[in-house]
Amino acid sequence: DQQVKQNSPSLSVQEGRISILNCDYTNSMFDYFLWYKKYPAEGPTFLISISSIKDKNEDGRFTVFLNKSAKHLSLHIVPSQPGDSAVYFCAASPNNNDMRFGAGTRLTVKP
Amino acid sequence: DVKVTQSSRYLVKRTGEKVFLECVQDMDHENMFWYRQDPGLGLRLIYFSYDVKMKEKGDIPEGYSVSREKKERFSLILESASTNQTSMYLCASSLRAGGPYNEQFFGPGTRLTVL
Repeated sequence: DQQVKQNSPSLSVQEGRISILNCDYTNSMFDYFLWYKKYPAEGPTFLISISSIKDKNEDGRFTVFLNKSAKHLSLHIVPSQPGDSAVYFCAASPNNNDMRFGAGTRLTVKP
Repeated sequence: DVKVTQSSRYLVKRTGEKVFLECVQDMDHENMFWYRQDPGLGLRLIYFSYDVKMKEKGDIPEGYSVSREKKERFSLILESASTNQTSMYLCASSLRAGGPYNEQFFGPGTRLTVL
């Protein structure tokens, strides 16, 4: 049973618009949440993260929001660029060491 | 830059063969991990290790074993490969809870096909 769920397998947005990727988790012991980006034929690379003591973390065009009571987090990309087209994985950890990943959302940004 | 390398990008094996997947990291990380990636299932944790000669089961350890004889090297072993082990295998490493956001660094993956 997956503890981290990304219910949208794919998302398509127009260049310049906002992309919103969602993630839900079931384990209340998770305290650290990360987003990874994966291009074809490459391993995932770290994008942005947030700990449970915060509800928002921003890094340039990327913002992660955490709603701990709803066990939900989201990644906002604004403005979206064609180079952002990739698979995005949500990950969560109870101890900042081992992580559990979601199934991924494939984002396509159209020029 | 952290570098995680995996011994093969593509591997084709026959059912019943013993398969070794090797992973090496060059940043003196304590933690190492093995995942498999399948469509619709994302990355699932097979085994991980926090130190030399230590190993912990992840969520799907059945049919796999691991070896960590040196800090920089973590091997995944399929004792008797089966067709349902056809997958993309990803290795990762990280520091031991090295900071507020302990990111894992991934290798490029090994695409294993079991015939």
